[in-house]
Amino acid sequence: EVQLVESGGGLVQPGGSLRLSCAASGITFSSYGMSWVRQAPGKGLEWVSAISGSGGSTYHADSVKGRFTISRDNSKNTLYLQMNSLRAEDTAVYYCAKHPEPRHYYYMDVWGKGTTVTVSS
Amino acid sequence: EIVLTQSPGTLSLSPGERATLSCGASQSVSSSSLAWYQQKPGQAPRLLIYGASSRATGIPDRFSGSGSGTDFTLTISRLEPEDFAVYYCQQYGISTRTFGQGTKLEIK
Repeated sequence: EVQLVESGGGLVQPGGSLRLSCAASGITFSSYGMSWVRQAPGKGLEWVSAISGSGGSTYHADSVKGRFTISRDNSKNTLYLQMNSLRAEDTAVYYCAKHPEPRHYYYMDVWGKGTTVTVSS
Repeated sequence: EIVLTQSPGTLSLSPGERATLSCGASQSVSSSSLAWYQQKPGQAPRLLIYGASSRATGIPDRFSGSGSGTDFTLTISRLEPEDFAVYYCQQYGISTRTFGQGTKLEIK
């Protein structure tokens, strides 16, 4: 069974940094593109960042470009999201999601349960 | 960026009825690049439909997707109590990927 487990969320002050992790199991991790999708309280879904199976190609939404960096360690079956210069509007549940192919511009067939990030002073 | 607009915002129906949810795109979307997700309160989204009309693994056949170009539809043929949730459409291109704002399907 494929499982994605996010961690690293918490309360951080504006301007601070946080690194999210997503541990994958039950799959050959390097064979699949991965994404981070977030959902602000009471709002809809926003695709934040994506990365190809090899890690050689990435995508970041304009709202986070230059502040967030997606990466992966295929030897550890783990996806990361480094979040810097955090703002109040980054407050959300962050979901890790898997694509069914190595490319990162695709639908997501498996989702983690999410980790909550709160940016507040 | 392609903007997806879902309608209606809220749909109130009874179990056993047919639900029709719409997703309109600001530019033409390849039909192979449109997906639908279901989200229940406190849960992660679940993939229902990909490629506009292909059901994901384990999804009941009362769920169906259709459409092309700028107009797409998710149909639930006969609502079960567990179908009441929020539904999102999503498009995924090489340089742009967006979600619709969601349709809340509530019990009437």
